This record gives sequence, C-alpha cells and structure tokens, in this order.
Amino acid sequence: DTGVSQNPRHKITKRGQNVTFRCDPISEHNRLYWYRQTLGQGPEFLTYFQNEAQLEKSRLLSDRFSAERPKGSFSTLEIQRTEQGDSAMYLCASSLVVGAYEQYFGPGTRLTVT
Amino acid sequence: QQPVQSPQAVILREGEDAVINCSSSKALYSVHWYRQKHGEAPVFLMILLKGGEQKGHEKISASFNEKKQQSSLYLTASQLSYSGTYFCGTEHEVAGANNLFFGTGTRLTVIP
Repeated sequence: DTGVSQNPRHKITKRGQNVTFRCDPISEHNRLYWYRQTLGQGPEFLTYFQNEAQLEKSRLLSDRFSAERPKGSFSTLEIQRTEQGDSAMYLCASSLVVGAYEQYFGPGTRLTVT
Repeated sequence: QQPVQSPQAVILREGEDAVINCSSSKALYSVHWYRQKHGEAPVFLMILLKGGEQKGHEKISASFNEKKQQSSLYLTASQLSYSGTYFCGTEHEVAGANNLFFGTGTRLTVIP
C-alpha cells in the first residue's frame, strides 16, 4: 500500500490556461474525493466518485471544473480557463465504501495562477 | 453547513492536555478528525459514527454527542509531534450524503 499519490505536486499557470491534475488512490479504495484548500481554511469538498460514477458535485463548483474517473482507478481534475481565484491546494482522498470509510488524503497539487 | 471549531489556537507545554471542540448545526452521521502539518496533507486521526462506532489511532480519544451534534478531541500528555492544525470534518445525516464539511481548524503548538 503506497498511499494516495497526486501529480504534479506544483503547477504554475497563466490566467486563461487549462490545467489537469491526476490522483491515484489507494488500490483497493473505490471511493475517490476531490477537495480544494486555501490558506488558513479547511478542505472544501468539490466532488466524489464511487468506482467510475461521479455521485456528487459541489454547487460551488463552476462549469470550468470537470473530473473523471474513467476506469474506476485514477482520477483527473481539469480546470479550464483558469482564474487567479483558482489558486489553491487541490487535495485528493480515497476511502472504502464499507465500514467506517475514513478518508486518506494525498499530498496535494498546489496550483498558482499568475 | 461548515462546522465550528474551538478554540482557534492553543499553545501547550509538553505533557499538558488539550481539548478541541467541533459543533455543527446539522444532524450528523459521522465526525472525522484530521491533523495537518504545514505544507503536508491532512492525516486521519479518528472517525466517530452515529450509534457509537469509533475507529482511530490508539493514542487519540474523542467523543461524539449525537443529540448536540458536537464532538471533542482529547489530546493527553502532549508531545512536540502533536503540533499542527486539527480539523474536524462532518458528514450530514442526509440520504446519499458522503462528503465532508471541514471546519476552519484549530492550530495547536506544543513547546518544550
């Protein structure tokens, strides 16, 4: 068990560009979550998948954000036409469906939009 | 929907105890506790479910008052490694709800 991994760890982009982040969950976990965290705040829920199905999406998530988990394994989060307000740490977490289903977080991708 | 944590910050000397509180205005199914050190990902500490089930690290204890939608995390005999920001994440008791709402955190500093 290697834990949740995320790539890239850091991304600097210019306003208006598109960016894509990848998350590889713990192998036996079938739930995968995306969160956004800004300085001094707790993680903010964006969306989550159970296997390949996207079951919930935050109302705060604009249409510029899209996430996929095509084969129920890794997931990608894409932000189109980035804005300076998108600058944040993007965290991925995974969990099991059954049991207490505690969430394990990855190291995050820090996005800076200039 | 975001839970409220208190205190916002606390400074302890090694060996002292602390209690961190988390309160929600929503009926809760579960409360999750995490610790995050600067520049790192949140690390799972404890989960408390409605009905009494708990799961977490041996040296961590917590309580969950289902009627009051409140949870408390108890840190005893603190060590330097306990320093960090503690977040509670709450799962609302709504059918199909599985996402967590996190508080703004409690910054704990343990000094020698």
